[in-house]
Amino acid sequence: DIQLTQSPFFLSASVGDRVTITCRASQGISSYLAWYQQKPGKAPNLLIYAASTLQSGVPSRFSGSGSGTEFTLTISSLQPEDFATYYCQHLNSYPLFGPGTKVDVK
Amino acid sequence: QVQLQESGPGLAKPSETLSLTCTVSDYSVTGGHYWGWIRQPPGKGLEFIGSIYHSGSTYYNPSLKSRVTMSVDTSKNQFSLKLSSVTAADTAVYYCARVLLFSGAAAAFDFWGQGTMVSVSS
Repeated sequence: DIQLTQSPFFLSASVGDRVTITCRASQGISSYLAWYQQKPGKAPNLLIYAASTLQSGVPSRFSGSGSGTEFTLTISSLQPEDFATYYCQHLNSYPLFGPGTKVDVK
Repeated sequence: QVQLQESGPGLAKPSETLSLTCTVSDYSVTGGHYWGWIRQPPGKGLEFIGSIYHSGSTYYNPSLKSRVTMSVDTSKNQFSLKLSSVTAADTAVYYCARVLLFSGAAAAFDFWGQGTMVSVSS
């Protein structure tokens, strides 16, 4: 079975910071990796799919990269509305989510 | 803009069957996409439950497979989830969502319902 891990589990940052979150798969998943943002009490919001494709309507400060077993989500300049929890997800061969990374105010 | 709305009882008793329906608006469930269910226990992460195509083809999370049944009602533009033999561990917010296809493969969930809280308690 494929496992997804995320690091860090918790991240403290300030507005304007460059933030990077890593997702690692226990075996190669090509580029079948998506990233979501979730705010308390809300459904997850798709940010990135196919590792690096920005979902329509998502600000360009979000970007994704990677393939195989290691992937990153980068927020180039953190905005106040970006404080949230971020999940990676693999859907194609064995659907599952990563454990999440909470981005909080420093 | 595709819209999804979950509906169903907010409370289920242990050992009973939890039943939820997702009504899709502004898009047909026969429009070429898979549809899925995801849940999130209070304060915890997201768990994939299963997905279904309008033809009836399904894929269930292996850890839940023995208890899950999904179906589609094309006449009502809805799809449904049944989870049997529930316990307190099934208490969660349940979301329905549409599967985004990319290069012919399932890539992500692009449209989500707002979620419905289901508690399992006697």
